[in-house]
Amino acid sequence: DAGVIQSPRHEVTEMGQEVTLRCKPISGHDYLFWYRQTMMRGLELLIYFNNNVPIDDSGMPEDRFSAKMPNASFSTLKIQPSEPRDSAVYFCASSLYLGTLYGYTFGSGTRLTVV
Amino acid sequence: GESVGLHLPTLSVQEGDNSIINCAYSNSASDYFIWYKQESGKGPQFIIDIRSNMDKRQGQRVTVLLNKTVKHLSLQIAATQPGDSAVYFCAENYSGNQFYFGTGTSLTVIP
Repeated sequence: DAGVIQSPRHEVTEMGQEVTLRCKPISGHDYLFWYRQTMMRGLELLIYFNNNVPIDDSGMPEDRFSAKMPNASFSTLKIQPSEPRDSAVYFCASSLYLGTLYGYTFGSGTRLTVV
Repeated sequence: GESVGLHLPTLSVQEGDNSIINCAYSNSASDYFIWYKQESGKGPQFIIDIRSNMDKRQGQRVTVLLNKTVKHLSLQIAATQPGDSAVYFCAENYSGNQFYFGTGTSLTVIP
């Protein structure tokens, strides 16, 4: 398996534009997580899915953020409209269980810069 | 959520020396802990784990120590190498629920 695959690796966009981040989890993993990483706040859980269903979205900053998982092999995180404070690295992770042995498998992240 | 914090945000060590990275956790009921390593431009990767019924666990050049009395976790890296330069996170878990991550410590190895 190629691991968790995220695209794009880097995204630079202007304030006010829509941004869509994509993730392909490891096949067979029932849980998918979206994290945001900044120097000040570290890794923050935004939302996670179980069997394609959003379970906990309490970490989503505001209505500008939305996430979907239309099938077991694909998820998107959308920011509309984007703002400079959204600049961060966004990670997708997947796992077999919520509190699984060895933790979560992370993708390489998408570095988002909003100017 | 639970609070998982690191004592030192940055650490610089000479190549060949041992490194110690610390982590404090707040939930005394947490029963499973993981250390992750995050290299530049990559996502966090599993290094070593420990359950709460253990005080110490050793891997290849790494040792994790757990002190439940003071809710403290440490990662020791022996004979630190340039390839060990990275950000290290601890993560805690209670009873199979979601993991909570610390803010990370940046380790720089000086050749």
